[in-house]
Amino acid sequence: SYELTQPPSVSVSPGQTARITCSGDALPKQYAFWFHQKPGQAPVLVIYQDSQRPSGIPERFSGSTSGTTVTLTISGVQAEDEADYYCQSADSSGTYQVFGGGTKLTVL
Amino acid sequence: QVQLVQSGAEVKKPGASVKVSCKTSGYMFTSFGINWVRQAPGQGLEWLGWISGYNGNTNYAQKIKGRVTLTTDTSASTAYLELRSLRSDDSAVYYCARSLLSTGGGDFWGQGTLVTVS
Repeated sequence: SYELTQPPSVSVSPGQTARITCSGDALPKQYAFWFHQKPGQAPVLVIYQDSQRPSGIPERFSGSTSGTTVTLTISGVQAEDEADYYCQSADSSGTYQVFGGGTKLTVL
Repeated sequence: QVQLVQSGAEVKKPGASVKVSCKTSGYMFTSFGINWVRQAPGQGLEWLGWISGYNGNTNYAQKIKGRVTLTTDTSASTAYLELRSLRSDDSAVYYCARSLLSTGGGDFWGQGTLVTVS
């Protein structure tokens, strides 16, 4: 079955730039989506269709893609950005969606 | 404003079935699909399936295909997830999310429904 691979954890200091990667063979063909989730809350969409930012999401969140890897970049990280981050996409057929295993972002 | 409101927590015995509802408002139900996602305690997100609000077309995750059925009632702007032959590892918070594409997304989410199998 199709898998998306994320690093389990990323740590940055406030004001620095955090980059969270997500790798999958079908990413050149399928859009990627990024969510963050804080404990006890539902996920929140922060990037859709690889690089688009929903209304209400701060400009410090951006998405990019290069081959089989997509990257969520958070510029000028703030303490409130500490959360679990998940990438999501679909297999090459577009039939099955999948989430990455999640990355815990720690703001030091 | 867009809202997705899910039914309340459920406690079921192994082998039973559960049906979770997701009542939507604030948008045209038939213009979007609904993704269903679950999260076991302390674990990551797991995609379960997607249903079109327009024509009821579905895609199901291979892992639970055969035990899950997604349906909609367009007159009530409500989506449903039914999971059968429940096992202890089905215990999780179940979420619905509005999704334009069948290949991903979820711009608005329900509050989650805790299903406990015990």
